[in-house]
Amino acid sequence: GAVVSQHPSWVICKSGTSVKIECRSLDFQATTMFWYRQFPKQSLMLMATSNEGSKATYEQGVEKDKFLINHASLTLSTLTVTSAHPEDSSFYICSATRDPDTQYFGPGTRLTVL
Amino acid sequence: RKEVEQDPGPFNVPEGATVAFNCTYSNSASQSFFWYRQDCRKEPKLLMSVYSSGNEDGRFTAQLNRASQYISLLIRDSKLSDSATYLCVVKGNNNDMRFGAGTRLTVKP
Repeated sequence: GAVVSQHPSWVICKSGTSVKIECRSLDFQATTMFWYRQFPKQSLMLMATSNEGSKATYEQGVEKDKFLINHASLTLSTLTVTSAHPEDSSFYICSATRDPDTQYFGPGTRLTVL
Repeated sequence: RKEVEQDPGPFNVPEGATVAFNCTYSNSASQSFFWYRQDCRKEPKLLMSVYSSGNEDGRFTAQLNRASQYISLLIRDSKLSDSATYLCVVKGNNNDMRFGAGTRLTVKP
């Protein structure tokens, strides 16, 4: 099956710093990637849809200036959490589409902001 | 109202039991439907797509009722390895997926 990687798998940072998370489709080209956030015991919440070469589309309530998304190539999308605060601590998961009906998820990045 | 609603769970069942999960969705224009499985601290993995005519994959049977906007998943002969959280997922026109909150299943010996 298709493989999507994320880096880092976990990160601990101080409040106020910025953290960049990478999402890569390893064996296919993904025109669309999605970023999700999952808090403990809750489901995945879509944050934004990232299209290669264009601006990301953010879900209502997600601050685009705080969660910067860049989709510079067909195999890489990055999410930068700027000026992170403890309430941003969460499990961030990306996914990539190879065909219309299937999303392949990355293994997730666990962010802890102290 | 949430876009995708699932049984709150948790479900604790003995090995060999049959268990059913239900899910309803609010957007009647939804195009595709799926069940995903998520293990603790892992990413979701596709379990099966759900087709209008209903479909089966081994011990798993999925049903869709578009008129009632209802999806179900039936697991027969539960195994210990079935313990996980099951996510009902609905895809809209923009290829965006909406996840239910998940139903946690624990299969006990």
